[in-house]
Amino acid sequence: DGGITQSPKYLFRKEGQNVTLSCEQNLNHDAMYWYRQDPGQGLRLIYYSQIVNDFQKGDIAEGYSVSREKKESFPLTVTSAQKNPTAFYLCASTQATNEKLFFGSGTQLSVL
Amino acid sequence: AQRVTQPEKLLSVFKGAPVELKCNYSYSGSPELFWYVQYSRQRLQLLLRHISRESIKGFTADLNKGETSFHLKKPFAQEEDSAMYYCALYNFNKFYFGSGTKLNVKP
Repeated sequence: DGGITQSPKYLFRKEGQNVTLSCEQNLNHDAMYWYRQDPGQGLRLIYYSQIVNDFQKGDIAEGYSVSREKKESFPLTVTSAQKNPTAFYLCASTQATNEKLFFGSGTQLSVL
Repeated sequence: AQRVTQPEKLLSVFKGAPVELKCNYSYSGSPELFWYVQYSRQRLQLLLRHISRESIKGFTADLNKGETSFHLKKPFAQEEDSAMYYCALYNFNKFYFGSGTKLNVKP
């Protein structure tokens, strides 16, 4: 069953802790994206990657880091520098960069 | 800077009534615009894109460059249309999303 998988579904972060959100796709898509969703604010772009070993900052990259070592995987790390990490995080992918985005089911991150 | 505005957070209509979800954008070039939808307990998914000029589930959207708008319309709303709708703009490898409009179709 092809698709894009995010894990975990829920994640809790302690003060000063880094946490990593997983995003895996088996659609053979080149481009992958991370968005943050806050109530009433829509989706804001954190990072995106067009090809393996390359990625660019989005509009709200501060406090986050990513890697793209494999085509299928685009993990997002929420670092301790991100002071307001509580949000719903969505990962998406697309074959060509102006084609439709396929979304994961999301990860809800909360601070303990 | 690119920007997508959806002025309505919530839109409630009765079944069978016409629906128009507003989307305005700011962009200096030729935009590529999309509507995405999220039904309850489902993933965000593409509804339609302006270059396809298609009608999906009875919805249409026309790009009006003069008014910089891409409003989503349906002549007769159905209860199953109740969902969250997002307008999106693509530019230079990035997709920009509006804040979304929740459509509630009442029986």
